[in-house]
Amino acid sequence: EVQLVESGGGLVQPGRSLRLSCAASGFTFDDYAMHWVRQAPGKGLEWVSGISWNSGSIGYADSVKGRFTISRDNAKNSLYLQMNSLRAEDTALYYCAKSSGYYFVGGYYFDYWGQGTLVTVSS
Amino acid sequence: QSVLTQPPSASGTPGQRVTISCSGSSSNIGSNYVYWYQQLPGTAPKLLIYRNNQRPSGVPDRFSGSKSGTSASLAISGLRSEDEADYYCAAWDDSLSGHVFGTGTKVTVL
Repeated sequence: EVQLVESGGGLVQPGRSLRLSCAASGFTFDDYAMHWVRQAPGKGLEWVSGISWNSGSIGYADSVKGRFTISRDNAKNSLYLQMNSLRAEDTALYYCAKSSGYYFVGGYYFDYWGQGTLVTVSS
Repeated sequence: QSVLTQPPSASGTPGQRVTISCSGSSSNIGSNYVYWYQQLPGTAPKLLIYRNNQRPSGVPDRFSGSKSGTSASLAISGLRSEDEADYYCAAWDDSLSGHVFGTGTKVTVL
């Protein structure tokens, strides 16, 4: 059974940093790309970032480009999101999502999701 | 903000058919597959339809997807109370080089 468990969320002041983690199990982690998708309270879904199976290809939404960094450790079956210069508008539930294939681009989709970790940016 | 446009709400009585539209552009729906996700209250999204009209195993055949040009739609036939949820369309956008989601549609079973 595929399991994705996010952690690392919490309350942080504007301008500070936070690192999210996602522990994956139930599938061969290094055979699949991974994503972060967020959902602000009461709002819709927003793709944040994606990383290919071997970290060779990475993409970001314009809203986080230059502030967030996605990475993965295939030896630890883990996905990460380093979030710097956090803003109030980054407040959201952050989901880790598995790609349906090696890459995160068109043709591939999110086939499994974790339960999310909540990030609140406020002074 | 969302690139794909959906109606904010849709409703029907048990047994009815409900259709949700998703409008995009040539850079997303017009040139890429469409996916649909169901988000039950208080839970994570779940894949409902992939590659325009394919259902993952376990998804009832009451759910069907279609695409035409720069628009797509999700149909729920034989509506059931457990179908009350938010539904999102999604696609890759060639111009943005990223995945984009629809604005979401809340389905209510009357």
